Amino acid sequence: GAGVSQSPRYKVAKRGQDVALRCDPISGHVSLFWYQQALGQGPEFLTYFQNEAQLDKSGLPSDRFFAERPEGSVSTLKIQRTQQEDSAVYLCASSLVGGTASGEAFFGQGTRLTVV
Amino acid sequence: AQSVTQLDSQVPVFEEAPVELRCNYSSSVSVYLFWYVQYPNQGLQLLLKYLSGSTLVKGINGFEAEFNKSQTSFHLRKPSVHISDTAEYFCAVSFAGGTSYGKLTFGQGTILTVHP
Repeated sequence: GAGVSQSPRYKVAKRGQDVALRCDPISGHVSLFWYQQALGQGPEFLTYFQNEAQLDKSGLPSDRFFAERPEGSVSTLKIQRTQQEDSAVYLCASSLVGGTASGEAFFGQGTRLTVV
Repeated sequence: AQSVTQLDSQVPVFEEAPVELRCNYSSSVSVYLFWYVQYPNQGLQLLLKYLSGSTLVKGINGFEAEFNKSQTSFHLRKPSVHISDTAEYFCAVSFAGGTSYGKLTFGQGTILTVHP
């Protein structure tokens, strides 16, 4: 596709439910990032993949959060036993190269997760 | 660690007036600097970036920003705004070192509202 695609766009989950959020990066992009954007805040880093390798997961807020990118393209962010504080927009971004900060990151439209 | 402060959470301005959105950062190492724009229900779009060289950076849609190392600032400016510039603007930094991969640290955002 032409850009980064995320699905679903909106997700309502009951507290305690598991959710899976999908990101389709731009084809051929090496780097993939997940960010969490709480209401009224700037995005905060969650995790980074270079191809299929998860090189940084320092931003994942708890062990309920898990991300994977098994074939170096599509990525899934999974949240187990969702809590109300998990309500946020989850953004995925990809960039063409890895190992450099100078490349442009392209963002998807995000998945808005609401935990009730 | 880096941090970013956007000094104004909301900036109202009339159409065709000039605007400046302020951004200050804190970092003990060299950084790259970015401005992103987020229109309602859309992902983040890169406006401009400073990597090195000239401290005055020109971006899309007539925006420009000036890197001031002594003041650790990267303010965004536009000489004449349009209604279509109404959006939320995020300043961001990333570590510029050789082992960096482009993880972004964002400010809290500034909502620019352009009135007719």
